[in-house]
Order: sequence, then C-alpha cells, then structure tokens
Amino acid sequence: QVQLQESGPGLVKPSETLSLTCTVSGDSITTFYWSWIRQPPGKGLEWIGYLYNTGSNNYNPSLKSRATISGDTSKNQFSLKLTSVTAADTAVYYCARMKWLLYFDSWGQGTLVTVSS
Amino acid sequence: DIVLTQSPGTLSLSPGERATLSCRASQSVSSSYLAWYQQTPGQAPRLLIYGASNRATGIPDRFSGSGSGTDFTLTITRLEPEDFAVYFCQHYGYSRFTFGQGTKLEIK
Repeated sequence: QVQLQESGPGLVKPSETLSLTCTVSGDSITTFYWSWIRQPPGKGLEWIGYLYNTGSNNYNPSLKSRATISGDTSKNQFSLKLTSVTAADTAVYYCARMKWLLYFDSWGQGTLVTVSS
Repeated sequence: DIVLTQSPGTLSLSPGERATLSCRASQSVSSSYLAWYQQTPGQAPRLLIYGASNRATGIPDRFSGSGSGTDFTLTITRLEPEDFAVYFCQHYGYSRFTFGQGTKLEIK
C-alpha cells in the first residue's frame, strides 16, 4: 500500500522560497502522477501541480509560474518549490498520487506552512 | 475555467438520516472526470467516489454518486457518526484540477 509523507520547514519568511519534500513508499515515483495540493486554514482545496514520469509537469496557472515540482528517483521523493511567498501562501500542503489523470487516490497527512516574518 | 459550486454550504442532519449533497459545474463536464472526497478535522481528504458514480476501494455502499452534465450528487444513506465531515467535489479538465468549496455535514 502506498504511503506519502510531507516534510519541510513549518515557517517561511515573506518573499522567500517555500520548499517541501514528499517521501513515497510502496510505489515508485517513476509511475503514475504525483501532485501537490494545498488548503489554507479553514478553506477549500487548491491544486498546485503535478509531476509525471519524473520529467513532465503541469501547474495551476493561478500560481503565476512560482511553483516548481521535481523528482529524485534515487530517494523516491518529489519536491515542491514555491517562490516569492506571501501570507496568502499559508496553508496545509498535501502531496498526493494519481494513478490516472483523473483523481487523487492516496494522500499524505499534510504539513502546515506558515508565511510570516 | 470550470467552477464547481457545492450546495448547501452546511447540512445539519441526525445519524440514520439520508444526506444529499450537490455539486454543480459552470459548464457541462464528462462524468469520468468528477470525484468526491471526504475530509474529517485534521485529516487529509479521502477519495470516496470517482467517475461520478464509482466507489473507491473500501468505501461503504451507503455512499453513492450520480449525475451528469452540470449536476452531480453525493448521497449518503443511513448516516453514521463518522460520516459527519466536509465533502468536496473535484473535476479535471482543460489540463487543470478544480475543487468545489465544500459542504459541511454536521450533526443536528
């Protein structure tokens, strides 16, 4: 059974870069699609982007090219970098798997990232 | 962009009752690309329904999904205490994923 675990700093300063890693066990990131999704406190879900076959990406245009998702096959991890963060980027960040480009069937537990000076 | 609007925002029911949650798309969408998730406090969302009407692995049969075009419904028959949560619908189209704003199902 696949398991996903997010890790990274819980506090990031405004204008800096948010960096998170998702460690995958029970599956290989060279298969399927691997995504990042976020949820501001008390609000709904926002898809950030996905990585496919460790080299192909698609991102939510609303993030205005601030997001980059990459993979490390040696560690079976994929990562998110979000540049020029503001308080609006404060959220719980989830990593998730898609077996097909349709829905998210497995999720990590999520990690809260707060943007504050 | 396709916008998903869920209603009601909050639904107050008692255990044992039937819940009907709505998800309306701003334009007609393929049912293949419509999914539902359940989220309990402090937890990640859990996939309930995919392809508008297919239950995900391990989901009890009291959960069912239906609909087509712009109108989709999640029905929960005989509510159990663990069913009181927030429910989101989700769509994939035009190379992006969108979520509805959620319906909170609370105990009356």
